[in-house]
Amino acid sequence: NAGVTQTPKFQVLKTGQSMTLQCAQDMNHEYMSWYRQDPGMGLRLIHYSVGAGITDQGEVPNGYNVSRSTTEDFPLRLLSAAPSQTSVYFCASSYRQPSNQPQHFGDGTRLSIL
Amino acid sequence: DAKTTQPNSMESNEEEPVHLPCNHSTISGTDYIHWYRQLPSQGPEYVIHGLTSNVNNRMASLAIAEDRKSSTLILHRATLRDAAVYYCILRDGFSGGSQGNLIFGKGTKLSVKP
Repeated sequence: NAGVTQTPKFQVLKTGQSMTLQCAQDMNHEYMSWYRQDPGMGLRLIHYSVGAGITDQGEVPNGYNVSRSTTEDFPLRLLSAAPSQTSVYFCASSYRQPSNQPQHFGDGTRLSIL
Repeated sequence: DAKTTQPNSMESNEEEPVHLPCNHSTISGTDYIHWYRQLPSQGPEYVIHGLTSNVNNRMASLAIAEDRKSSTLILHRATLRDAAVYYCILRDGFSGGSQGNLIFGKGTKLSVKP
């Protein structure tokens, strides 16, 4: 019963490097999203997807790209990492647009950019 | 977007009930009240949600004021494992797109003393 799986759990990058954070879910959920959480703050939505082939921007999309080629996977790409992107990143999924469906979250990827 | 107001922190004793308040005076008729919690170093976890009537599940109870401008999450018997940040979130239950997303505030940090 894997749920939402995020890899890697930890990563250190240098400024300017690129990287893809992986997110996979095995619950056949249509809706998936990415959040970032900075120290002492709540989560902020980066990008979301309501189904395969459909993505949209959240509150803080700049510096991040996403794609949704399959129902199961929703990778988040940093094209040129910046220190301001140091954060903890959470992926979430739910059965559909989370109107009343609980969202299931992964355990997070802790990303440091030097 | 309708916003919520929660105390920054609360303390409780183990095995005693805990009442976590949330004010949402600008709630609209289609907004559901959701509660999530985040244990240290983990992703958020769904707790409960409701629209107008009080709700109970295995984790907690949700008491909603008659005018819906406030609600209270009730943990009937706090354990050390309940120490977490609790988020009260309003979400439009009938709209798709960005209106259906979760908007996290800073939440209430609950400490449980043995």
